[in-house]
Amino acid sequence: QKEVEQNSGPLSVPEGAIASLNCTYSDRVSQSFFWYRQYSGKSPELIMSIYSNGDKEDGRFTAQLNKASQYVSLLIRDSQPSDSATYLCAVVLQKLVFGQGTRLTINP
Amino acid sequence: GAVVSQHPSRVICKSGTSVKIECRSLDFQATTMFWYRQFPKKSLMLMATSNEGSKATYEQGVEKDKFLINHASLTLSTLTVTSAHPEDSSFYICSARDTGGSPLHFGNGTRLTVT
Repeated sequence: QKEVEQNSGPLSVPEGAIASLNCTYSDRVSQSFFWYRQYSGKSPELIMSIYSNGDKEDGRFTAQLNKASQYVSLLIRDSQPSDSATYLCAVVLQKLVFGQGTRLTINP
Repeated sequence: GAVVSQHPSRVICKSGTSVKIECRSLDFQATTMFWYRQFPKKSLMLMATSNEGSKATYEQGVEKDKFLINHASLTLSTLTVTSAHPEDSSFYICSARDTGGSPLHFGNGTRLTVT
């Protein structure tokens, strides 16, 4: 089992809908979780960090963490074409480990 | 917020030459910086952890003699790709965090093309 797993996609969502991105991780003791957005040819930029169970909202983005089930998700409300990118889940497992990323396309 | 500057953004070099990439933390001190490599449509792979004032820690499979890392100050780490070959062509990205528990902030990356 990979340490951090994401569905590589591509995931296509119509503009204005909710995009849901999921990530599972293998190590139960992980405490820090991050979502990064990466546009093609660019470096990742941090969108959300979450450290405790439950939901964390920031504008159109909501991160959800369930440590018992070992998954973390990212919801993007009112999806915009500019949200089209690869979304990377990252988990601190002694070091920061990235999932393979999910390619998201928002269709106008 | 924390800013990490990386230079150059693009470099093209001939096979057999060496290329140096610089990574600077602009508004914070970084005792540790991280170097990643990313091939097209692949995820980020950690190459090494750069420690200020001491030797870098390399991930399994990464040749320390080929990828030289120097972290001479709290704000600067350099990665030198020695005797570059076409298979070293990739997107190299540095990152750092300003405190132990904070998330990583990435430089803009360096697109290396070896001809």
